[in-house]
Amino acid sequence: EPEVTQTPSHQVTQMGQEVILRCVPISNHLYFYWYRQILGQKVEFLVSFYNNEISEKSEIFDDQFSVERPDGSNFTLKIRSTKLEDSAMYFCASSGQGARYSNQPQHFGDGTRLSIL
Amino acid sequence: AQKITQTQPGMFVQEKEAVTLDCTYDTSDPSYGLFWYKQPSSGEMIFLIYQGSYDQQNATEGRYSLNFQKARKSANLVISASQLGDSAMYFCAMREVTSGTYKYIFGTGTRLKVLA
Repeated sequence: EPEVTQTPSHQVTQMGQEVILRCVPISNHLYFYWYRQILGQKVEFLVSFYNNEISEKSEIFDDQFSVERPDGSNFTLKIRSTKLEDSAMYFCASSGQGARYSNQPQHFGDGTRLSIL
Repeated sequence: AQKITQTQPGMFVQEKEAVTLDCTYDTSDPSYGLFWYKQPSSGEMIFLIYQGSYDQQNATEGRYSLNFQKARKSANLVISASQLGDSAMYFCAMREVTSGTYKYIFGTGTRLKVLA
Protein backbone atom coordinates (compact mmCIF):
# COMPACT_ATOMS: atom_id res chain seq x y z
CA GLU A 1 0.00 0.00 0.00
CA PRO A 2 1.42 3.43 -0.90
CA GLU A 3 2.47 5.56 2.00
CA VAL A 4 3.70 9.02 2.92
CA THR A 5 7.39 9.02 3.83
CA GLN A 6 9.14 11.62 5.95
CA THR A 7 12.83 12.26 6.50
CA PRO A 8 14.61 12.50 8.79
CA SER A 9 12.82 10.64 11.56
CA HIS A 10 14.61 12.75 14.15
CA GLN A 11 16.31 16.11 13.72
CA VAL A 12 18.34 17.88 16.40
CA THR A 13 19.15 21.52 15.69
CA GLN A 14 20.63 24.46 17.53
CA MET A 15 18.28 27.36 18.24
CA GLY A 16 18.45 29.96 15.50
CA GLN A 17 19.44 27.49 12.82
CA GLU A 18 17.41 26.71 9.73
CA VAL A 19 15.85 23.29 9.35
CA ILE A 20 14.15 21.59 6.42
CA LEU A 21 11.78 18.70 6.95
CA ARG A 22 11.13 16.53 3.94
CA CYS A 23 8.11 14.56 2.83
CA VAL A 24 7.23 12.41 -0.13
CA PRO A 25 3.43 12.28 -0.40
CA ILE A 26 1.52 9.48 -2.05
CA SER A 27 2.17 9.82 -5.76
CA ASN A 28 -1.34 10.51 -7.10
CA HIS A 29 -2.40 12.77 -4.26
CA LEU A 30 -3.07 16.44 -4.87
CA TYR A 31 -3.48 17.96 -1.42
CA PHE A 32 -0.59 18.23 1.02
CA TYR A 33 -0.46 19.25 4.65
CA TRP A 34 1.82 19.84 7.58
CA TYR A 35 0.68 19.32 11.16
CA ARG A 36 2.54 19.75 14.42
CA GLN A 37 2.25 17.87 17.71
CA ILE A 38 4.03 19.27 20.73
CA LEU A 39 4.91 16.46 23.14
CA GLY A 40 1.85 15.26 25.01
CA GLN A 41 -0.51 17.61 23.21
CA LYS A 42 -2.96 17.37 20.35
CA VAL A 43 -2.14 17.50 16.67
CA GLU A 44 -2.39 21.03 15.25
CA PHE A 45 -2.84 22.11 11.66
CA LEU A 46 -0.06 24.24 10.19
CA VAL A 47 -0.62 24.58 6.46
CA SER A 48 -2.31 23.07 3.45
CA PHE A 49 -0.95 23.15 -0.10
CA TYR A 50 -2.70 22.57 -3.39
CA ASN A 51 -1.96 23.39 -6.99
CA ASN A 52 1.51 24.65 -6.07
CA GLU A 53 0.36 27.22 -3.59
CA ILE A 54 -0.66 27.53 0.04
CA SER A 55 -4.39 27.04 0.44
CA GLU A 56 -4.62 27.83 4.11
CA LYS A 57 -2.30 28.40 7.03
CA SER A 58 -2.84 28.61 10.75
CA GLU A 59 -1.68 31.33 13.11
CA ILE A 60 1.21 29.05 14.06
CA PHE A 61 2.54 29.24 10.50
CA ASP A 62 4.26 32.61 10.76
CA ASP A 63 6.95 34.19 8.60
CA GLN A 64 9.55 31.76 9.93
CA PHE A 65 7.79 28.90 8.17
CA SER A 66 7.62 28.14 4.47
CA VAL A 67 6.62 25.20 2.32
CA GLU A 68 7.73 24.16 -1.10
CA ARG A 69 7.16 21.46 -3.65
CA PRO A 70 10.47 21.69 -5.48
CA ASP A 71 9.79 18.82 -7.83
CA GLY A 72 7.04 16.36 -8.63
CA SER A 73 7.54 14.23 -5.55
CA ASN A 74 8.92 16.13 -2.55
CA PHE A 75 7.07 18.48 -0.22
CA THR A 76 9.19 20.38 2.29
CA LEU A 77 8.67 22.45 5.41
CA LYS A 78 11.35 24.99 6.23
CA ILE A 79 11.78 26.79 9.52
CA ARG A 80 14.19 29.68 9.00
CA SER A 81 15.34 30.50 12.51
CA THR A 82 14.27 27.83 14.94
CA LYS A 83 13.10 28.57 18.45
CA LEU A 84 12.92 26.30 21.47
CA GLU A 85 9.14 26.18 21.17
CA ASP A 86 9.44 24.71 17.68
CA SER A 87 10.40 21.41 19.30
CA ALA A 88 7.63 19.01 18.29
CA MET A 89 6.69 16.11 16.07
CA TYR A 90 5.92 17.34 12.57
CA PHE A 91 3.58 15.29 10.43
CA CYS A 92 3.18 15.51 6.70
CA ALA A 93 -0.10 14.29 5.22
CA SER A 94 -1.60 13.97 1.78
CA SER A 95 -5.01 13.25 0.31
CA GLY A 96 -6.47 12.57 -3.07
CA GLN A 97 -8.90 14.48 -5.23
CA GLY A 98 -12.40 14.56 -3.86
CA ALA A 99 -11.27 14.12 -0.28
CA ARG A 100 -12.90 17.38 0.77
CA TYR A 101 -16.33 15.81 0.91
CA SER A 102 -15.74 12.11 0.91
CA ASN A 103 -14.56 9.33 3.15
CA GLN A 104 -11.02 9.59 1.82
CA PRO A 105 -8.79 10.19 4.82
CA GLN A 106 -5.63 12.17 4.94
CA HIS A 107 -2.70 9.77 4.98
CA PHE A 108 -0.02 10.69 7.49
CA GLY A 109 3.68 10.03 7.43
CA ASP A 110 5.45 8.66 10.48
CA GLY A 111 6.54 12.15 11.48
CA THR A 112 9.82 13.95 12.10
CA ARG A 113 10.69 14.60 15.70
CA LEU A 114 12.36 18.02 15.83
CA SER A 115 14.40 18.86 18.90
CA ILE A 116 15.71 22.41 19.29
CA LEU A 117 18.61 22.85 21.71
CA ALA B 1 -15.54 27.50 14.55
CA GLN B 2 -15.48 23.78 14.78
CA LYS B 3 -14.47 22.03 17.92
CA ILE B 4 -13.67 18.48 18.96
CA THR B 5 -13.80 17.33 22.57
CA GLN B 6 -12.39 14.13 24.01
CA THR B 7 -13.09 14.11 27.73
CA GLN B 8 -11.23 10.92 28.65
CA PRO B 9 -7.49 11.55 28.95
CA GLY B 10 -6.89 7.90 29.80
CA MET B 11 -8.77 4.61 29.74
CA PHE B 12 -8.05 1.05 30.85
CA VAL B 13 -9.68 -2.05 29.43
CA GLN B 14 -9.18 -5.71 30.05
CA GLU B 15 -7.96 -7.76 27.11
CA LYS B 16 -10.83 -9.24 25.03
CA GLU B 17 -13.36 -6.76 26.39
CA ALA B 18 -14.96 -3.89 24.50
CA VAL B 19 -14.18 -0.25 25.17
CA THR B 20 -15.80 3.01 24.11
CA LEU B 21 -13.78 6.17 23.54
CA ASP B 22 -15.84 9.34 23.63
CA CYS B 23 -15.81 12.17 21.11
CA THR B 24 -18.18 15.10 20.87
CA TYR B 25 -18.07 17.79 18.26
CA ASP B 26 -19.50 21.16 17.52
CA THR B 27 -20.08 22.55 14.06
CA SER B 28 -22.58 24.64 12.18
CA ASP B 29 -21.80 22.98 8.85
CA PRO B 30 -24.48 20.54 7.69
CA SER B 31 -21.86 18.48 5.85
CA TYR B 32 -18.93 17.19 7.84
CA GLY B 33 -16.77 14.15 8.33
CA LEU B 34 -15.42 12.57 11.46
CA PHE B 35 -12.26 10.46 11.56
CA TRP B 36 -10.52 8.40 14.19
CA TYR B 37 -6.77 7.89 14.20
CA LYS B 38 -4.58 5.64 16.34
CA GLN B 39 -1.16 6.79 17.46
CA PRO B 40 1.02 4.03 18.95
CA SER B 41 4.02 4.86 21.11
CA SER B 42 6.16 4.85 17.97
CA GLY B 43 4.35 8.03 16.94
CA GLU B 44 2.79 7.37 13.55
CA MET B 45 -0.84 8.30 12.83
CA ILE B 46 -2.94 5.39 11.61
CA PHE B 47 -6.37 5.99 10.09
CA LEU B 48 -9.04 3.76 11.63
CA ILE B 49 -12.54 4.75 10.62
CA TYR B 50 -14.67 7.48 9.05
CA GLN B 51 -18.23 8.69 9.59
CA GLY B 52 -19.92 11.16 7.28
CA SER B 53 -22.64 13.46 8.52
CA TYR B 54 -25.12 12.13 5.96
CA ASP B 55 -24.30 8.47 6.43
CA GLN B 56 -27.41 6.58 7.40
CA GLN B 57 -25.60 3.82 9.22
CA ASN B 58 -22.85 3.76 11.79
CA ALA B 59 -19.46 3.04 10.28
CA THR B 60 -17.72 -0.26 10.99
CA GLU B 61 -14.21 -1.46 10.14
CA GLY B 62 -13.34 -4.85 11.56
CA ARG B 63 -13.18 -4.51 15.35
CA TYR B 64 -13.78 -0.78 15.15
CA SER B 65 -17.21 0.78 15.01
CA LEU B 66 -18.59 4.26 15.45
CA ASN B 67 -21.53 5.00 17.69
CA PHE B 68 -22.71 8.07 15.79
CA GLN B 69 -25.44 10.09 17.49
CA LYS B 70 -26.00 13.11 15.31
CA ALA B 71 -28.51 14.86 17.55
CA ARG B 72 -26.10 14.62 20.48
CA LYS B 73 -23.14 15.52 18.25
CA SER B 74 -21.17 12.55 19.38
CA ALA B 75 -19.08 10.02 17.46
CA ASN B 76 -17.76 7.52 19.94
CA LEU B 77 -15.28 4.85 18.86
CA VAL B 78 -16.03 1.33 20.01
CA ILE B 79 -13.24 -1.23 19.97
CA SER B 80 -14.48 -4.77 20.41
CA ALA B 81 -12.41 -7.68 21.71
CA SER B 82 -9.51 -5.48 22.79
CA GLN B 83 -5.99 -6.68 22.11
CA LEU B 84 -2.72 -5.72 23.75
CA GLY B 85 -1.71 -4.06 20.48
CA ASP B 86 -4.62 -1.65 20.82
CA SER B 87 -2.75 0.19 23.57
CA ALA B 88 -2.14 3.61 22.04
CA MET B 89 -3.33 7.20 21.86
CA TYR B 90 -6.59 7.66 19.96
CA PHE B 91 -7.54 10.92 18.30
CA CYS B 92 -10.90 12.02 17.02
CA ALA B 93 -10.76 14.56 14.19
CA MET B 94 -13.25 16.59 12.22
CA ARG B 95 -12.81 17.65 8.64
CA GLU B 96 -13.20 21.39 8.26
CA VAL B 97 -13.79 22.50 4.70
CA THR B 98 -12.50 25.92 3.73
CA SER B 99 -12.55 27.88 0.53
CA GLY B 100 -9.23 26.49 -0.56
CA THR B 101 -9.11 23.00 0.77
CA TYR B 102 -9.86 21.25 4.00
CA LYS B 103 -8.03 20.44 7.20
CA TYR B 104 -8.47 18.35 10.30
CA ILE B 105 -9.33 19.69 13.72
CA PHE B 106 -8.12 17.19 16.32
CA GLY B 107 -9.27 16.45 19.82
CA THR B 108 -6.82 16.15 22.69
CA GLY B 109 -6.81 12.38 22.49
CA THR B 110 -7.47 9.43 24.79
CA ARG B 111 -4.67 7.15 25.91
CA LEU B 112 -5.91 3.56 25.99
CA LYS B 113 -4.13 0.87 27.94
CA VAL B 114 -5.17 -2.74 27.40
CA LEU B 115 -4.47 -4.97 30.37
CA ALA B 116 -3.53 -8.63 30.05
